[in-house]
Amino acid sequence: GNSVTQMEGPVTLSEEAFLTINCTYTATGYPSLFWYVQYPGEGLQLLLKATKADDKGSNKGFEATYRKETTSFHLEKGSVQVSDSAVYFCALFWGNSGGSNYKLTFGKGTLLTVNP
Amino acid sequence: NAGVTQTPKFQVLKTGQSMTLQCAQDMNHNSMYWYRQDPGMGLRLIYYSASEGTTDKGEVPNGYNVSRLNKREFSLRLESAAPSQTSVYFCASSDFGGGGQFFGPGTRLTVL
Repeated sequence: GNSVTQMEGPVTLSEEAFLTINCTYTATGYPSLFWYVQYPGEGLQLLLKATKADDKGSNKGFEATYRKETTSFHLEKGSVQVSDSAVYFCALFWGNSGGSNYKLTFGKGTLLTVNP
Repeated sequence: NAGVTQTPKFQVLKTGQSMTLQCAQDMNHNSMYWYRQDPGMGLRLIYYSASEGTTDKGEVPNGYNVSRLNKREFSLRLESAAPSQTSVYFCASSDFGGGGQFFGPGTRLTVL
């Protein structure tokens, strides 16, 4: 079945440091890939997505590239801020337009803390 | 444009009590979902509704029921609450095509 594995946290960085959160996936076919962010006490927000191999999703300085050859979708940011402190979830979607299988499979989440 | 709304935000129940969590979306999405989030477990899908009139079990459906009342609303019912159902519950919606799901703010439920 489909699965997502992301690096375990917590990750603690200083402001302006470079961030990488690793995510690899197992799936049949060609899934879409997502990164979600959850700020304390809130629901998940879609951060970025990529729908096919070699696509790069980007938003708010974060980016991730869909690598089919390594089945990976690592999240990166060149210079993190205190306001980036949150839990980050990698997820994959595999569904077919004619059926009812519109489900996301999530990784367990990585807690990022950025210190000033 | 409120997106996905959930009520209540917080709830405390005693073992054996019942309650219904309400969810509504105003984005005209076809699909809606209920998840629970527990420490160290990530998000687990309880039930989902791919389109109005259909519902299907997710990963952890035991102890729950759902109703897709109309295109906008999708409720989750706990018939006889148990302490193991203490969790944060999130509702989400999406359109066809896998463009991503939009989440509500969550309901924090404690069962004593």
